[in-house]
Amino acid sequence: GNSVTQMEGPVTLSEEAFLTINCTYTATGYPSLFWYVQYPGEGLQLLLKATKADDKGSNKGFEATYRKETTSFHLEKGSVQVSDSAVYFCALTTGANNLFFGTGTRLTVIP
Amino acid sequence: DAGVIQSPRHEVTEMGQEVTLRCKPISGHNSLFWYRQTMMRGLELLIYFNNNVPIDDSGMPEDRFSAKMPNASFSTLKIQPSEPRDSAVYFCASTPAVVVTGELFFGEGSRLTVL
Repeated sequence: GNSVTQMEGPVTLSEEAFLTINCTYTATGYPSLFWYVQYPGEGLQLLLKATKADDKGSNKGFEATYRKETTSFHLEKGSVQVSDSAVYFCALTTGANNLFFGTGTRLTVIP
Repeated sequence: DAGVIQSPRHEVTEMGQEVTLRCKPISGHNSLFWYRQTMMRGLELLIYFNNNVPIDDSGMPEDRFSAKMPNASFSTLKIQPSEPRDSAVYFCASTPAVVVTGELFFGEGSRLTVL
């Protein structure tokens, strides 16, 4: 079946620290992988995506590389800001009319 | 362009009452999804529609839940009768394609509290 496992939070970092949020997946076929972000009081919005192995998705200083050999799609950012405080969701689709989400990781960045 | 619009943003009701949540997808989008978010279970897909037709409602918790999409610009999620365990944030999302290949556009959610 299809599923996503991401590291449990919450994660608390100081401003300008390095961020890694781990995500691994199981999927039938060749999935596309996504990171979504949910800011307080808002709906989810797409942060970045990668559609095939070795692709790197990037946006707003965040990056994630599609690693087929380790079935992973870890989210990284070199220097986090207070405004990055949010819940981050890893997700995948195999094009079968659904998007499978992880449980979410809450990030809090303190000044 | 307007995004996905949900109403109400907040609803507080008493157990046993009927609750109706509403969603207006982005114009031109062909697929619509209803999700439920709770601390315990995270984000769960309840039902999705392609071209106004329900495709998969296997995530609907029980018969108390029903969803309709009478036209391309409107959908409802109804809970009757409501129970305290239905308290959650309910999200509607839409996407242009019939097949999910990319971005879902989420509304801001409807926070439901059942007392």
